[in-house]
Amino acid sequence: EVQLVESGGGLVKPGGSLRLSCAASGFTFRNARMNWVRQAPGKGLEWVGRIKSKGDGGTTDSAAPVKGRFTISRDDSKNTLYLQMNSLKSEDTAVYYCVGPGPSGTYMAFWGKGTTVTVSS
Amino acid sequence: QSVLTQPPSASGTPGQRVTISCSGSSSNIGSNNVHWYQQFPGTAPKLLIYRNNQRPSGVPDRFSGSKSGSSASLAISGLRSEDEADYYCVAWDDSLSESVFGTGTRVTVL
Repeated sequence: EVQLVESGGGLVKPGGSLRLSCAASGFTFRNARMNWVRQAPGKGLEWVGRIKSKGDGGTTDSAAPVKGRFTISRDDSKNTLYLQMNSLKSEDTAVYYCVGPGPSGTYMAFWGKGTTVTVSS
Repeated sequence: QSVLTQPPSASGTPGQRVTISCSGSSSNIGSNNVHWYQQFPGTAPKLLIYRNNQRPSGVPDRFSGSKSGSSASLAISGLRSEDEADYYCVAWDDSLSESVFGTGTRVTVL
């Protein structure tokens, strides 16, 4: 059974930093293209970014609102995905979801329960 | 703001067919697969349709997806009260090098 468990959320002041983690199990993590998606309170889903598997180049792509502030990384030895968030703004307040691929492709299929990030003074 | 446009709401009575549109452009829907998600309040989204019209195991065949040109649609036939939820489309955008979600549609069962 695929499991994705996010952690690391909390309350942080504007301009601060936070690192989210996502522990994965139930699939071959090292071969997986992983994504982060967020949802601000009462709003729709917003893609944050993705990281390809090392076999696929290991490169990252990020959404324009977070480019240069957020960094996605992975530790395949720990089956863990990370989201380093710097220079946080109030508009980054959201539930952050870790999303893994389906069994037959790279599309976003399996979602964690999410972790809440609140940016406020 | 979202690149993919969906109607904010859709509704129907039990047993009816409801269709949700997702309008994009040649750089996203026009050249890439569309996937659909269902989300209940306070819970994580769930994959409903992948690669335009494929259903993951466990998803009822009442749900179907289609794509034509730069638009896609999700249809729910035989509407049931438990289908009341928010629905989102998503596609990769080649120009932005980003995944872009639709604005979301809330389905209400009257």
